[in-house]
Amino acid sequence: DADVTQTPRNRITKTGKRIMLECSQTKGHDRMYWYRQDPGLGLRLIYYSFDVKDINKGEISDGYSVSRQAQAKFSLSLESAIPNQTALYFCATSDGRDTQYFGPGTRLTVL
Amino acid sequence: AQSVTQPDIHITVSEGASLELRCNYSYGATPYLFWYVQSPGQGLQLLLKYFSGDTLVQGIKGFEAEFKRSQSSFNLRKPSVHWSDAAEYFCAVGPFSGGYNKLIFGAGTRLAVHP
Repeated sequence: DADVTQTPRNRITKTGKRIMLECSQTKGHDRMYWYRQDPGLGLRLIYYSFDVKDINKGEISDGYSVSRQAQAKFSLSLESAIPNQTALYFCATSDGRDTQYFGPGTRLTVL
Repeated sequence: AQSVTQPDIHITVSEGASLELRCNYSYGATPYLFWYVQSPGQGLQLLLKYFSGDTLVQGIKGFEAEFKRSQSSFNLRKPSVHWSDAAEYFCAVGPFSGGYNKLIFGAGTRLAVHP
Protein backbone atom coordinates (compact mmCIF):
# COMPACT_ATOMS: atom_id res chain seq x y z
CA ASP A 1 0.00 0.00 0.00
CA ALA A 2 1.12 3.54 -0.76
CA ASP A 3 2.42 5.61 2.14
CA VAL A 4 0.69 8.79 0.94
CA THR A 5 -2.69 8.54 -0.74
CA GLN A 6 -4.83 11.21 -2.34
CA THR A 7 -8.51 11.15 -3.23
CA PRO A 8 -9.90 11.70 -5.72
CA ARG A 9 -7.25 11.14 -8.38
CA ASN A 10 -9.20 13.09 -10.95
CA ARG A 11 -12.00 15.61 -10.58
CA ILE A 12 -13.89 17.80 -12.98
CA THR A 13 -16.06 20.51 -11.50
CA LYS A 14 -17.73 23.78 -12.40
CA THR A 15 -16.91 27.33 -11.47
CA GLY A 16 -18.29 28.27 -8.06
CA LYS A 17 -18.46 24.76 -6.66
CA ARG A 18 -16.87 23.78 -3.38
CA ILE A 19 -14.27 21.06 -3.71
CA MET A 20 -12.33 19.07 -1.13
CA LEU A 21 -9.18 17.11 -1.88
CA GLU A 22 -8.11 14.60 0.72
CA CYS A 23 -4.72 13.28 1.73
CA SER A 24 -3.90 10.43 4.07
CA GLN A 25 -0.52 9.10 5.15
CA THR A 26 0.69 6.03 6.97
CA LYS A 27 4.26 7.20 7.50
CA GLY A 28 3.58 8.64 10.94
CA HIS A 29 4.98 12.02 9.94
CA ASP A 30 3.91 15.18 11.70
CA ARG A 31 4.46 17.52 8.75
CA MET A 32 2.16 17.64 5.78
CA TYR A 33 2.06 19.90 2.73
CA TRP A 34 -0.17 20.80 -0.19
CA TYR A 35 1.37 21.88 -3.50
CA ARG A 36 -0.04 22.68 -6.90
CA GLN A 37 1.80 21.95 -10.11
CA ASP A 38 1.34 24.00 -13.25
CA PRO A 39 3.22 23.46 -16.51
CA GLY A 40 6.36 25.57 -16.61
CA LEU A 41 6.02 26.63 -12.99
CA GLY A 42 7.08 23.57 -11.06
CA LEU A 43 5.44 22.97 -7.69
CA ARG A 44 4.27 25.81 -5.50
CA LEU A 45 3.39 25.50 -1.83
CA ILE A 46 -0.22 26.23 -0.89
CA TYR A 47 -0.37 25.31 2.82
CA TYR A 48 1.67 23.33 5.28
CA SER A 49 1.04 21.88 8.70
CA PHE A 50 3.57 20.82 11.31
CA ASP A 51 1.05 19.17 13.59
CA VAL A 52 -2.69 19.03 14.12
CA LYS A 53 -2.78 22.46 15.76
CA ASP A 54 -0.34 24.19 13.43
CA ILE A 55 -1.43 25.41 9.99
CA ASN A 56 0.58 27.81 7.87
CA LYS A 57 0.04 29.57 4.57
CA GLY A 58 2.40 28.91 1.73
CA GLU A 59 3.19 31.15 -1.20
CA ILE A 60 -0.17 30.78 -2.99
CA SER A 61 -2.86 30.24 -0.34
CA ASP A 62 -5.48 32.67 -1.68
CA GLY A 63 -8.65 30.84 -2.65
CA TYR A 64 -7.72 27.74 -0.65
CA SER A 65 -8.25 26.50 2.89
CA VAL A 66 -7.06 23.40 4.73
CA SER A 67 -8.05 21.19 7.62
CA ARG A 68 -5.77 18.88 9.58
CA GLN A 69 -8.26 16.40 10.99
CA ALA A 70 -5.65 14.10 12.48
CA GLN A 71 -1.94 13.47 12.23
CA ALA A 72 -2.59 11.27 9.23
CA LYS A 73 -5.12 13.42 7.38
CA PHE A 74 -4.77 16.80 5.69
CA SER A 75 -7.53 18.13 3.42
CA LEU A 76 -7.43 20.97 0.93
CA SER A 77 -10.61 22.87 0.09
CA LEU A 78 -11.49 25.23 -2.71
CA GLU A 79 -14.47 27.17 -1.33
CA SER A 80 -15.54 28.50 -4.72
CA ALA A 81 -13.55 26.96 -7.53
CA ILE A 82 -12.41 29.08 -10.46
CA PRO A 83 -10.86 27.98 -13.79
CA ASN A 84 -7.34 29.16 -12.93
CA GLN A 85 -7.32 26.63 -10.10
CA THR A 86 -7.16 23.91 -12.74
CA ALA A 87 -3.92 22.13 -11.89
CA LEU A 88 -2.31 18.99 -10.53
CA TYR A 89 -2.36 18.98 -6.73
CA PHE A 90 0.14 17.08 -4.60
CA CYS A 91 0.16 16.23 -0.95
CA ALA A 92 3.47 15.52 0.76
CA THR A 93 4.69 14.48 4.19
CA SER A 94 7.93 14.89 6.06
CA ASP A 95 9.44 13.92 9.37
CA GLY A 96 10.90 17.40 9.48
CA ARG A 97 14.47 16.32 8.89
CA ASP A 98 14.89 16.27 5.19
CA THR A 99 12.99 14.33 2.57
CA GLN A 100 9.42 14.99 1.57
CA TYR A 101 7.32 12.07 0.37
CA PHE A 102 4.70 12.80 -2.25
CA GLY A 103 1.32 11.34 -3.02
CA PRO A 104 0.30 10.41 -6.57
CA GLY A 105 -1.50 13.70 -7.19
CA THR A 106 -5.05 14.85 -7.92
CA ARG A 107 -5.81 16.30 -11.32
CA LEU A 108 -8.45 19.00 -10.90
CA THR A 109 -10.24 20.65 -13.80
CA VAL A 110 -12.51 23.63 -13.19
CA LEU A 111 -14.80 24.44 -16.10
CA ALA B 1 14.99 35.54 -2.26
CA GLN B 2 15.53 31.85 -2.72
CA SER B 3 14.94 30.49 -6.19
CA VAL B 4 15.75 27.53 -8.38
CA THR B 5 16.34 27.69 -12.13
CA GLN B 6 16.27 24.76 -14.49
CA PRO B 7 17.34 26.30 -17.80
CA ASP B 8 16.24 23.41 -20.01
CA ILE B 9 12.50 22.86 -20.36
CA HIS B 10 12.83 19.85 -22.67
CA ILE B 11 15.77 17.57 -23.39
CA THR B 12 15.88 14.66 -25.80
CA VAL B 13 18.63 12.06 -25.71
CA SER B 14 19.19 8.70 -27.34
CA GLU B 15 19.06 5.58 -25.25
CA GLY B 16 22.55 4.76 -24.01
CA ALA B 17 23.75 8.36 -24.26
CA SER B 18 24.93 10.34 -21.29
CA LEU B 19 22.70 12.91 -19.61
CA GLU B 20 23.21 16.12 -17.70
CA LEU B 21 20.31 18.19 -16.37
CA ARG B 22 21.18 21.63 -15.12
CA CYS B 23 20.05 23.28 -11.90
CA ASN B 24 21.09 26.64 -10.53
CA TYR B 25 19.91 28.08 -7.25
CA SER B 26 19.89 31.34 -5.39
CA TYR B 27 20.17 31.02 -1.63
CA GLY B 28 21.87 32.97 1.12
CA ALA B 29 23.59 30.08 2.82
CA THR B 30 24.59 26.55 1.99
CA PRO B 31 21.38 25.01 0.77
CA TYR B 32 19.92 21.58 1.09
CA LEU B 33 19.48 20.39 -2.50
CA PHE B 34 17.28 17.70 -3.97
CA TRP B 35 16.45 16.09 -7.28
CA TYR B 36 13.02 14.52 -7.72
CA VAL B 37 11.66 12.57 -10.69
CA GLN B 38 8.03 12.48 -11.78
CA SER B 39 7.05 9.66 -14.11
CA PRO B 40 3.87 10.09 -16.15
CA GLY B 41 0.82 9.87 -13.92
CA GLN B 42 2.93 9.45 -10.82
CA GLY B 43 3.90 11.52 -7.82
CA LEU B 44 7.41 12.77 -7.20
CA GLN B 45 10.11 10.35 -6.15
CA LEU B 46 13.35 11.44 -4.52
CA LEU B 47 16.43 10.63 -6.63
CA LEU B 48 19.10 12.09 -4.39
CA LYS B 49 19.86 14.85 -1.93
CA TYR B 50 22.79 16.93 -0.73
CA PHE B 51 23.11 18.31 2.77
CA SER B 52 26.84 18.55 3.41
CA GLY B 53 30.11 16.71 2.95
CA ASP B 54 31.12 15.07 -0.31
CA THR B 55 29.93 17.29 -3.13
CA LEU B 56 29.33 14.34 -5.46
CA VAL B 57 26.15 12.59 -4.41
CA GLN B 58 24.96 9.21 -5.58
CA GLY B 59 21.29 8.47 -5.93
CA ILE B 60 18.92 5.79 -7.06
CA LYS B 61 18.58 4.47 -10.61
CA GLY B 62 22.21 5.23 -11.43
CA PHE B 63 21.92 9.01 -11.07
CA GLU B 64 24.47 11.29 -9.46
CA ALA B 65 24.69 15.03 -8.86
CA GLU B 66 27.50 17.39 -8.08
CA PHE B 67 27.21 20.43 -5.83
CA LYS B 68 29.37 23.31 -7.02
CA ARG B 69 29.21 26.19 -4.59
CA SER B 70 31.20 28.56 -6.84
CA GLN B 71 28.66 28.10 -9.63
CA SER B 72 25.56 27.78 -7.41
CA SER B 73 24.77 24.63 -9.30
CA PHE B 74 23.59 21.10 -8.59
CA ASN B 75 23.54 19.32 -11.94
CA LEU B 76 22.13 15.83 -12.31
CA ARG B 77 24.00 13.28 -14.41
CA LYS B 78 23.66 9.75 -15.66
CA PRO B 79 26.30 8.04 -17.79
CA SER B 80 23.89 5.91 -19.85
CA VAL B 81 20.21 6.71 -20.16
CA HIS B 82 17.54 4.02 -20.33
CA TRP B 83 14.16 4.40 -22.02
CA SER B 84 12.52 4.16 -18.59
CA ASP B 85 14.26 7.39 -17.54
CA ALA B 86 11.83 9.40 -19.68
CA ALA B 87 10.10 11.61 -17.10
CA GLU B 88 10.08 15.10 -15.68
CA TYR B 89 12.88 16.04 -13.32
CA PHE B 90 12.67 18.68 -10.63
CA CYS B 91 15.47 20.32 -8.71
CA ALA B 92 14.55 21.73 -5.30
CA VAL B 93 16.14 23.80 -2.57
CA GLY B 94 15.25 23.26 1.07
CA PRO B 95 15.49 26.34 3.22
CA PHE B 96 15.42 24.78 6.63
CA SER B 97 14.68 27.94 8.51
CA GLY B 98 13.82 27.05 12.08
CA GLY B 99 13.51 23.44 11.08
CA TYR B 100 10.76 24.25 8.66
CA ASN B 101 11.16 21.84 5.78
CA LYS B 102 9.81 23.93 2.92
CA LEU B 103 10.98 23.13 -0.57
CA ILE B 104 11.33 25.56 -3.46
CA PHE B 105 11.09 23.80 -6.80
CA GLY B 106 12.42 24.60 -10.21
CA ALA B 107 10.06 24.56 -13.18
CA GLY B 108 11.20 21.11 -14.21
CA THR B 109 12.98 19.53 -17.18
CA ARG B 110 11.09 17.05 -19.28
CA LEU B 111 13.33 14.27 -20.60
CA ALA B 112 12.48 12.29 -23.72
CA VAL B 113 14.52 9.22 -24.65
CA HIS B 114 14.82 8.05 -28.25
CA PRO B 115 15.33 4.32 -28.84
